[in-house]
Amino acid sequence: DARVTQTPRHKVTEMGQEVTMRCQPILGHNTVFWYRQTMMQGLELLAYFRNRAPLDDSGMPKDRFSAEMPDATLATLKIQPSEPRDSAVYFCASGLVPRELFFGEGSRLTVL
Amino acid sequence: KNQVEQSPQSLIILEGKNCTLQCNYTVSPFSNLRWYKQDTGRGPVSLTIMTFSENTKSNGRYTATLDADTKQSSLHITASQLSDSASYICVVSARCQAGTALIFGKGTTLSVSS
Repeated sequence: DARVTQTPRHKVTEMGQEVTMRCQPILGHNTVFWYRQTMMQGLELLAYFRNRAPLDDSGMPKDRFSAEMPDATLATLKIQPSEPRDSAVYFCASGLVPRELFFGEGSRLTVL
Repeated sequence: KNQVEQSPQSLIILEGKNCTLQCNYTVSPFSNLRWYKQDTGRGPVSLTIMTFSENTKSNGRYTATLDADTKQSSLHITASQLSDSASYICVVSARCQAGTALIFGKGTTLSVSS
C-alpha cells in the first residue's frame, strides 16, 4: 500500500532552533508539494517541486524557510530559526498532477 | 483572483441524516475539482475528482456534482455515519504556464452526532 511518509509526526522545539521535516513521496510520483495548515488559514502552499526541480516557493518565507529535494525519494523542509508563529501542521503531498494527489499524515510542529 | 469558497463553515447533523456541502469557485482556466476528507489529526484523503465534462461522480455514500457554468460544486452525503465527522475540503485545479495550480477552500467541518 503506497503512501507518503512524513517524519517526525510531532515536534516540539524552542524558538530559534532549527527544524527539519522530511517526506518520502510515493515511488514514481513526479510532483511533490509542501503545505502548512492552521485553523485560521486552512491549507497554504509553501513549495512545489516537479521532477525534483522547485517550481513555486512563493508561499514560503524565504528568510527562514528552505525546501529541497536531494533525490527522488526525499523532500525536506527546513525552518531556521523557528518562531512561535511557525506552529502548524506541515503536510507533504505527492502525485502525478493534474491527476490524483496523495497527502502524508503531517508533521505537527509546536514552537515555544 | 483565483478563489475557492466553501459553505457552511461548520455543520452538525444527526446520524442517518443527509447533508450537502457547497463549493463555489472563481478559478480560470479550470482543470478539475476535487473533494477531500480530512479526519482529525490525519492528512486529507481524496473522495472524488471531476473534470470539466463531468456533472456528477459518486464514491459510496458520497456524491459530488459540478456545474462548470455557474462554477459551483456540491458534495452530498447520504445516510451519514459517525465516521463521516471530518473536514471536507474542495480543491480546484487551474492550468497555468508553470503547470497546475491547486486552490484550496478552507473546508467545511462536519460533526455527525448520535
